[in-house]
Amino acid sequence: GNSVTQMEGPVTLSEEAFLTINCTYTATGYPSLFWYVQYPGEGLQLLLKATKADDKGSNKGFEATYRKETTSFHLEKGSVQVSDSAVYFCALGARAGNMLTFGGGTRLMVKP
Amino acid sequence: GAVVSQHPSRVICKSGTSVKIECRSLDFQATTMFWYRQFPKKSLMLMATSNEGSKATYEQGVEKDKFLINHASLTLSTLTVTSAHPEDSSFYICSAGDGSNTGELFFGEGSRLTVL
Repeated sequence: GNSVTQMEGPVTLSEEAFLTINCTYTATGYPSLFWYVQYPGEGLQLLLKATKADDKGSNKGFEATYRKETTSFHLEKGSVQVSDSAVYFCALGARAGNMLTFGGGTRLMVKP
Repeated sequence: GAVVSQHPSRVICKSGTSVKIECRSLDFQATTMFWYRQFPKKSLMLMATSNEGSKATYEQGVEKDKFLINHASLTLSTLTVTSAHPEDSSFYICSAGDGSNTGELFFGEGSRLTVL
């Protein structure tokens, strides 16, 4: 079956530090990959996505590249801000049925 | 992008009462919606898949008589927590796809249920 593994948190960084949150997956077929962000007390928001191998998703300074050879979709940001503090979920989507498989989530805390 | 709205965002109820949470797709039709439950500092647990005009499909371990799901129209699914108990207190999130083939889901804002 499909599964997503992401690094456990919390990840604590100082403002302007470089961020990497690792995400690897196992899947049959050719899934789409997503990063969702959840701010405190809120639902999930799509941060970025990639629908095929070698695609790079980007948004708000965050980037992730769909690497089929390493089955990875690591999230990166060059310079984090306090407002980036949130929980980040890596997810895998099968093309049919819109079913998403989530990783366990990684809490990011950015200190001034 | 597509918008999914949940209501209420917060609800407090007494033990033994029932609570209904609504999930609406505002600008698209959703034949399928998903209900998740999230425990504090944990990931999302899929509870059930809500299918318009038919019975919901529940995940293993989820009590279908406790968590009643109704998907009566293409834009509305409801989750009713029946005879709620304190252990039902949680953050409930719904989501829906807009029918595109990317697999992307759009999430509601979540509903925090507190059972006293």
